[in-house]
Amino acid sequence: AQSVTQLDSQVPVFEEAPVELRCNYSSSVSVYLFWYVQYPNQGLQLLLKYLSGSTLVESINGFEAEFNKSQTSFHLRKPSVHISDTAEYFCAVQGTGFQKLVFGTGTRLLVSP
Amino acid sequence: EAGVVQSPRYKIIEKKQPVAFWCNPISGHNTLYWYLQNLGQGPELLIRYENEEAVDDSQLPKDRFSAERLKGVDSTLKIQPAELGDSAVYLCASSFGGGLTGELFFGEGSRLTVL
Repeated sequence: AQSVTQLDSQVPVFEEAPVELRCNYSSSVSVYLFWYVQYPNQGLQLLLKYLSGSTLVESINGFEAEFNKSQTSFHLRKPSVHISDTAEYFCAVQGTGFQKLVFGTGTRLLVSP
Repeated sequence: EAGVVQSPRYKIIEKKQPVAFWCNPISGHNTLYWYLQNLGQGPELLIRYENEEAVDDSQLPKDRFSAERLKGVDSTLKIQPAELGDSAVYLCASSFGGGLTGELFFGEGSRLTVL
């Protein structure tokens, strides 16, 4: 079975500052890793994913995450956040081979002016 | 392209009453999921369908919860009778190809309040 730990329930940050949202996972098999974002009053949507290949993956709106197998981590980073990035971010893990997707408890990113 | 549609968005009922939630997945998506999201928690899988077949319902509390996807398209999740602890957001998601690579498309959710 897989599990995900997001230690930070809330991360407040000022606009244009960098941010890192931490995610650690546990699994006995190879995994796929994901970050989903949930904007206020909207459904979850996929932000980025790691399936294989390059360990650094990027989203279209400037976020990036790096798969670190030795540290079992998949932290999400952005060098300069915007007010519009305010949302809840969920890290998720899936064991390869039709395993179910397991979500972390989420990190609320609060960007203020 | 229309996304995953859920209704109702909000539902308030008294305990012991029945409630039903409806989901219409993205056209062509053969896999449909129902997730439960408690306040401050991540989504937890209740049931997964491949077309009409429930292939994973191990987390569905079968004493009071039921689900169906009769024609392999839209789906209904029912709770009867509802308990106070059922207050949560019920999320529906769909994917193509069994969700092999974890890319799910979620609806906006149905928020249930049980009084």
